[in-house]
Amino acid sequence: QKEVEQDPGPLSVPEGAIVSLNCTYSNSAFQYFMWYRQYSRKGPELLMYTYSSGNKEDGRFTAQVDKSSKYISLFIRDSQPSDSATYLCALTVGNNDMRFGAGTRLTVKP
Amino acid sequence: EPEVTQTPSHQVTQMGQEVILRCVPISNHLYFYWYRQILGQKVEFLVSFYNNEISEKSEIFDDQFSVERPDGSNFTLKIRSTKLEDSAMYFCASSEAEPRYGYTFGSGTRLTVV
Repeated sequence: QKEVEQDPGPLSVPEGAIVSLNCTYSNSAFQYFMWYRQYSRKGPELLMYTYSSGNKEDGRFTAQVDKSSKYISLFIRDSQPSDSATYLCALTVGNNDMRFGAGTRLTVKP
Repeated sequence: EPEVTQTPSHQVTQMGQEVILRCVPISNHLYFYWYRQILGQKVEFLVSFYNNEISEKSEIFDDQFSVERPDGSNFTLKIRSTKLEDSAMYFCASSEAEPRYGYTFGSGTRLTVV
């Protein structure tokens, strides 16, 4: 089993839809969970980070962590064409070696 | 908003040559990192740097690679004797605090080894 698994998509939704992006992981030592957004030919941009199980909300974005299931999610409400990008989950045990998912490519169509 | 700046944006080099990728981290950040992303693959950790020394490195970061902070602002990645498989996007990142709060990445240097 891969350490971090993320469906690469592509995922295409109409503008205004709710988007659900997910990652699963195998290493229960992961303690910190992040979501990055990456536009084409750009570096990853931090969207959210979470530590504990539960939900964290920031505007249209909600990050959800379920440590018991080793499952993390990012929800995007009222999706916009500008949300079209690749979304990467990233996990760390707390050290410098952050493990990234493969990224899910999202397209939001007007 | 503060940025991590990387130069050049694209570098083409002949196999066997040495390259230096340059980064200017955010000025008040203390932790510095290099990651790479081979086309179509995951972002992979190479090395972290704190307090003027390497704090962690991955298996990828072998003797071919070295990092340096030659002055108070620049952070460089040197790749000696480049190989075709070194072709990738190389991202520099920095963070103010410990990495669990996330990094700020630069836009990357696309390295093409021919």
